[in-house]
Amino acid sequence: QSVLTQPPSVSGAPGQRVTISCTGSSSNIGAGYGVHWYQQVPGTAPKLLIYGNTNRPSGVPDRFSGSKSGTSASLAITGLQAEDEADYHCQSYDRGLRSSVFGGGTQLTVL
Amino acid sequence: EVQLVESGEGLVQPGGSLRLSCAASGFTFSSYGMHWVRQAPGKGLEYVSAISGDGHSTYYADSLRGRFTISRDNSKNTVYLQMGSLRPEDMAVYFCARARIVGSNELDYWGQGTLVTVSS
Repeated sequence: QSVLTQPPSVSGAPGQRVTISCTGSSSNIGAGYGVHWYQQVPGTAPKLLIYGNTNRPSGVPDRFSGSKSGTSASLAITGLQAEDEADYHCQSYDRGLRSSVFGGGTQLTVL
Repeated sequence: EVQLVESGEGLVQPGGSLRLSCAASGFTFSSYGMHWVRQAPGKGLEYVSAISGDGHSTYYADSLRGRFTISRDNSKNTVYLQMGSLRPEDMAVYFCARARIVGSNELDYWGQGTLVTVSS
């Protein structure tokens, strides 16, 4: 069981908006540690999408945005495109475990 | 261009050992913390270990502490993961990745991954 909880799958039609949640606890997200998001096309390495809850690395489209509230975080994707079909992973730090932790990953299907 | 290239892929019997390497290029290697993350078949990402840029600080997932050892050779721009007492549940693709800034855990560059198979 992952320390951070994500829905196994989400889906949306092209052009729509989807959100992916990442639920933690007072030991990680709720303790103020930053949440980061990665996009992974199956068979390839993850790619950093959002860091520090809301920041996008250079080159990441502004269709991708992150937010955080309390013990949860969310990744929103607007104007869904076929190329967005991938797995999405959240990451934070857990002070009880004294290590980085990941969510179980969410598979995004573009209908 | 930042590049991370893992090697050391292999099949090992339960209880055996294996060393993975990750050769870095395109950046000042000693200035960045390096991490290992693994992904079992069909599963999510799992944090394994991390090492500071100067190699003086190391971090491990609690479940792996004592069996895995991370190290680095800044003269060779390479980070290593020595794995021992391997179990079937250690079978996974192992990725090395660079921490974006000092003291951070967000990973901005990743290698292509190397497969570790643990089976008799």
